[in-house]
Amino acid sequence: KAGVTQTPRYLIKTRGQQVTLSCSPISGHRSVSWYQQTPGQGLQFLFEYFSETQRNKGNFPGRFSGRQFSNSRSEMNVSTLELGDSALYLCASSAGQGKQYFGPGTRLTVT
Amino acid sequence: GENVEQHPSTLSVQEGDSAVIKCTYSDSASNYFPWYKQELGKRPQLIIDIRSNVGEKKDQRIAVTLNKTAKHFSLHITETQPEDSAVYFCAASSDSGNTPLVFGKGTRLSVIA
Repeated sequence: KAGVTQTPRYLIKTRGQQVTLSCSPISGHRSVSWYQQTPGQGLQFLFEYFSETQRNKGNFPGRFSGRQFSNSRSEMNVSTLELGDSALYLCASSAGQGKQYFGPGTRLTVT
Repeated sequence: GENVEQHPSTLSVQEGDSAVIKCTYSDSASNYFPWYKQELGKRPQLIIDIRSNVGEKKDQRIAVTLNKTAKHFSLHITETQPEDSAVYFCAASSDSGNTPLVFGKGTRLSVIA
């Protein structure tokens, strides 16, 4: 099976703009989780979608939002970008039972 | 919610020696504990996982142990090789899907040839 894919791989945005990132899970996986990775902070959980519904949410401001489509593909959106939003954004898909498989990530730089 | 602490943050070992990374968790409802390896510029890769009904699991040079009473679990790598150099993350969750996977902050392992 093809692995998890994310687009775009790299993105440069200016403060105040918004951005949309996309994640295509492994075929058959219905759960998609999003994480923010910054140096020294590990992987911080943003939210999880399962069958088009947000199932879990982390402690991020409302500027961070997401959705999932009927084909399980997921998007996350960050509005009013801040310098501190610069990070690697990873998505992971799961078929259940806890195992998650990560995509290559989208490197977002906010200037 | 769940909180996962991971130690040490950096670890250097000589090639051929063993490496041990330790994690503690706070939520007694957690029953799934995976370990991920992230090489520089790459995605995190699941290398081994353990569920709370098992105390130890091995896969070649890698083993994970779990102490439910003390709420800690450890990753053991034997006969380390330079290609083991990476950042390792532990994580904990309930496999019911009702709680997210919570990660430790990572351990940077350097294997010196």
